[in-house]
Amino acid sequence: QVQLVQSGAEVKKPGSSVKVSCKASGGAFSSYSFSWVRQAPGEGLEWMGRVIPIVGVANYAQKFQGRVTISADRSTSTASLELRSLRSEDTAVYYCARSPGRYMRDYYFDSWGQGTLVTVSA
Amino acid sequence: ETVLTQSPGTLSLSPGERATLSCRASQSVGNSFLAWYQQKPGQTPRLLIYGASSRATGIPDRFSGSGSGTDFTLTISRLEPEDFAVYYCQQYGNSPDTFGQGTKVEIK
Repeated sequence: QVQLVQSGAEVKKPGSSVKVSCKASGGAFSSYSFSWVRQAPGEGLEWMGRVIPIVGVANYAQKFQGRVTISADRSTSTASLELRSLRSEDTAVYYCARSPGRYMRDYYFDSWGQGTLVTVSA
Repeated sequence: ETVLTQSPGTLSLSPGERATLSCRASQSVGNSFLAWYQQKPGQTPRLLIYGASSRATGIPDRFSGSGSGTDFTLTISRLEPEDFAVYYCQQYGNSPDTFGQGTKVEIK
């Protein structure tokens, strides 16, 4: 049974950075790809980017380019999201989501972390 | 990027009725790589359908997906009380991945 466990809630000041982690268990970490999807309060889902652990490659939505880093540590089966230059509009629940493979045909999300609330406030 | 427009925004139906949800793409979705998710208040999204029409593991057969190109549909044949939720489509056939804005299925 796949499980994705994310780090806890964060409160950050505008202009600072946040790092959220997602530890995977119950599967072969390097066989999958991992995305980060966020959801602002009362809003829909927004894809931020994806990392493919076996090749160490990440790609990002243009909206977040230059402000986000998504990485994967195969030794600890952990995917991470770092978002910099935070602003109030970044207040959201951030989800780690697993895709069952590393090819485009697999890029749907069959398992989700519990979500991490990041609040950006002065 | 590929913009997904879901309609209607809200669907008011009674248990036992049929629900038809639409997801229209601004350009053709490559290989019909489209998924549907269900999200209940305070819960994480749950995968229902991938590849436009393949049901995910454990999903009841009252849920079905169809479509290709720019027009996709999620059908719930007979609504059960637990089906009242928000539904999102996601396309992953064109980079970047994008989601629709959601359709809320509420009890009439």
